[in-house]
Amino acid sequence: AQSVTQLDSQVPVFEEAPVELRCNYSSSVSVYLFWYVQYPNQGLQLLLKYLSGSTLVKGINGFEAEFNKSQTSFHLRKPSVHISDTAEYFCAVSSSSGGYNKLIFGAGTRLAVHP
Amino acid sequence: KAGVTQTPRYLIKTRGQQVTLSCSPISGHRSVSWYQQTPGQGLQFLFEYFSETQRNKGNFPGRFSGRQFSNSRSEMNVSTLELGDSALYLCASSPEGLAKTDTQYFGPGTRLTVL
Repeated sequence: AQSVTQLDSQVPVFEEAPVELRCNYSSSVSVYLFWYVQYPNQGLQLLLKYLSGSTLVKGINGFEAEFNKSQTSFHLRKPSVHISDTAEYFCAVSSSSGGYNKLIFGAGTRLAVHP
Repeated sequence: KAGVTQTPRYLIKTRGQQVTLSCSPISGHRSVSWYQQTPGQGLQFLFEYFSETQRNKGNFPGRFSGRQFSNSRSEMNVSTLELGDSALYLCASSPEGLAKTDTQYFGPGTRLTVL
């Protein structure tokens, strides 16, 4: 069975500092990985996704993630965060069940950016 | 294109009642999935509909049901509400939902509170 582990439940960081949100997955088959962001009282917005090809994936709002097959990781990074990046971030893997896909989510990481 | 819309945004019910939530997918998307989000369990897959048929189901009791109409709009119903059903219910749409690479786009959610 596929699963996703987000290693940090909360990450506090100062504005303009770099940040890394960690995500590990387990899967015995090809994986397709996603990062979503959820702002307060809103739904999930897709930040970026890894389907195939280059292991470095660039997303919206200056975020990027690196797929590392040997370490089964898909960590999310941003070189300089803003107050507006304060949100909850979810890593997800696309799982095939009966031939149809569904997303399996990690528990989420709450990013708090302080001035 | 308009995004995924969900109605109502907020709902308060009492134990034992039933509730119906509505989701309108992005135009042209045929797959609609539902997720439950709670602080304790995180994001959990409920079920997925495609062409008016339920194709995929998570581990939820039979009190949770849904349907999809010919225009791809979907409704989710919860009968005999319990306190533990209090959650944010998220709907996501995707073009086909077949391939693992199909990206799911989320609505803002319906916040259900059971008293």
